[in-house]
Amino acid sequence: GQQVMQIPQYQHVQEGEDFTTYCNSSTTLSNIQWYKQRPGGHPVFLIQLVKSGEVKKQKRLTFQFGEAKKNSSLHITATQTTDVGTYFCAIRGSGGSQGNLIFGKGTKLSVKP
Amino acid sequence: GAVVSQHPSWVICKSGTSVKIECRSLDFQATTMFWYRQFPKQSLMLMATSNEGSKATYEQGVEKDKFLINHASLTLSTLTVTSAHPEDSSFYICSARDLGGRSSYNEQFFGPGTRLTVL
Repeated sequence: GQQVMQIPQYQHVQEGEDFTTYCNSSTTLSNIQWYKQRPGGHPVFLIQLVKSGEVKKQKRLTFQFGEAKKNSSLHITATQTTDVGTYFCAIRGSGGSQGNLIFGKGTKLSVKP
Repeated sequence: GAVVSQHPSWVICKSGTSVKIECRSLDFQATTMFWYRQFPKQSLMLMATSNEGSKATYEQGVEKDKFLINHASLTLSTLTVTSAHPEDSSFYICSARDLGGRSSYNEQFFGPGTRLTVL
């Protein structure tokens, strides 16, 4: 079935360092979404990318969608302790209009103060 | 964003008993809700798509007779874990899209989750 590969699984950084997580698909995607899940919490929507080569920024977060629409990345500049959590990419499943999501395995970010 | 609630937030039960989890969209109507389970340190796995007024659509490998889903109204879906066993212990999360407007990106709004522990 459809799936999306996400790496790395874990990332430990010193506060102030940058962080990047990557998602890859073997098929062309119509769009990709990114979610953040804080420890003990539930996923919260961050952004959706739709266009080939799209780049979107949210403060220190930069989201990119590859030219071939098969990969995406989330980059955090100068991490802070508030960035701690697991970041998931998600793609639309084959359920079509029902809109079910298929999640990557997630990248767990820990930030050392 | 739109608000989704779940009840209970955590439950401990004995093996062989059934547990019902409620998912409610508080400020919007949801014809479709999704049920996920998440094991510790793992990703979210879609279990089923709950459709108001019709049968749920289950993902491959999910037993429909064990995980009963009822979407009785536009704001409520329930998941009943029947004859629960320790291997059913997990974090169950529901989500919904607000097709009325706030899901401008077709994003899903997640409930806070229910942690089930089966002894």
